[in-house]
Amino acid sequence: GQNIDQPTEMTATEGAIVQINCTYQTSGFNGLFWYQQHAGEAPTFLSYNVLDGLEEKGRFSSFLSRSKGYSYLLLKELQMKDSASYLCAGTDSNYQLIWGAGTKLIIKP
Amino acid sequence: ETGVTQTPRHLVMGMTNKKSLKCEQHLGHNAMYWYKQSAKKPLELMFVYNFKEQTENNSVPSRFSPECPNSSHLFLHLHTLQPEDSALYLCASSQERGPTDTQYFGPGTRLTVL
Repeated sequence: GQNIDQPTEMTATEGAIVQINCTYQTSGFNGLFWYQQHAGEAPTFLSYNVLDGLEEKGRFSSFLSRSKGYSYLLLKELQMKDSASYLCAGTDSNYQLIWGAGTKLIIKP
Repeated sequence: ETGVTQTPRHLVMGMTNKKSLKCEQHLGHNAMYWYKQSAKKPLELMFVYNFKEQTENNSVPSRFSPECPNSSHLFLHLHTLQPEDSALYLCASSQERGPTDTQYFGPGTRLTVL
């Protein structure tokens, strides 16, 4: 079957680094997306990986290993505004996004 | 500002009511989507339209009826809903229905069915 797994909740400290993991099983694979969703707001696009390796965008980086069916989102220099849910989604062979349930990230001062 | 707007933002309705959700995208995209988001569950894709044609209906009950009059507007007509239909309904759009096309979401309509 098709499945995306990510932790339900994580807690980190302001100024620190946190890594949110995501494992996927999809029928075919056409890339992996990360979205951020603040409570009561729209999910917003963070990154898209289709090739193995690390892609960096400012404080946020995303990594993909196709052979391991694994991705992570790395957030550096955490700020209070980074408190949000982070959604992982893999694209299957039908171009459909298979979504994880999201990881709620709590940042403490 | 995401370029995708949804109205209303909140809706409370009885099981016998009929209401409609509206979505409008200002991004010049050709594909539009309806998703259901329930607490602590993955986003559930409901319907997909590509160039105004419905391309996917993921086994959604007939009490939900989509309409896409043009590439910029998408509606979700609701009738005789059940309490378990209470959720956040998200609209999204993308350039096309392709594997690398990023989806841009609206803020959602929080629906409560009494």
